[in-house]
Amino acid sequence: TQLLEQSPQFLSIQEGENLTVYCNSSSVFSSLQWYRQEPGEGPVLLVTVVTGGEVKKLKRLTFQFGDARKDSSLHITAAQPGDTGLYLCAGARSGNTPLVFGKGTRLSVIA
Amino acid sequence: DAGITQSPRHKVTETGTPVTLRCHQTENHRYMYWYRQDPGHGLRLIHYSYGVKDTDKGEVSDGYSVSRSKTEDFLLTLESATSSQTSVYFCASSGGANSGANVLTFGAGSRLTVL
Repeated sequence: TQLLEQSPQFLSIQEGENLTVYCNSSSVFSSLQWYRQEPGEGPVLLVTVVTGGEVKKLKRLTFQFGDARKDSSLHITAAQPGDTGLYLCAGARSGNTPLVFGKGTRLSVIA
Repeated sequence: DAGITQSPRHKVTETGTPVTLRCHQTENHRYMYWYRQDPGHGLRLIHYSYGVKDTDKGEVSDGYSVSRSKTEDFLLTLESATSSQTSVYFCASSGGANSGANVLTFGAGSRLTVL
């Protein structure tokens, strides 16, 4: 059973388009994180959200944590080829428990 | 440079041979983790450590053992490698002075092929 479900699994869009990636669960998390991974490298943390309803912005990326702390979304505005990569959401059930990861969304932005 | 280094980065071995992957961090992080990443499965936790000599099993621990004799080093051992253990293995650490227990820093990965 996958604790965190990400959708879509694959996304191919043209440069300049907007997109949203979803991370859903039936479980409550104390925090959710988003990582980005490029080929041949390890994941790199983008953001951590800890409060239900929280919205964080990182340049063209907007992250939202659901009110019930069971889901999160990542919205990218005006996607660029440099946004291409694997986006992973990860959740912590409590402060010191290891993260569980979703399977990821592989994004390809075509120039 | 500070961070996490994994070795070897690539290894090809035969079924039944022992394999040890090494992870070294210079962040003075308390927690260290070994994940494997496979197509269709994402990142799955193998073992983790919450201090020197303190380790616990993750989701897919069968066939793997770990050891942590120093804060900076975390070893993953496959006692007798099988083809199902062909994967990319990632080490991560967390729990520094300026970050929480769940803010992970990852190594670049070790690609293991078991023939």
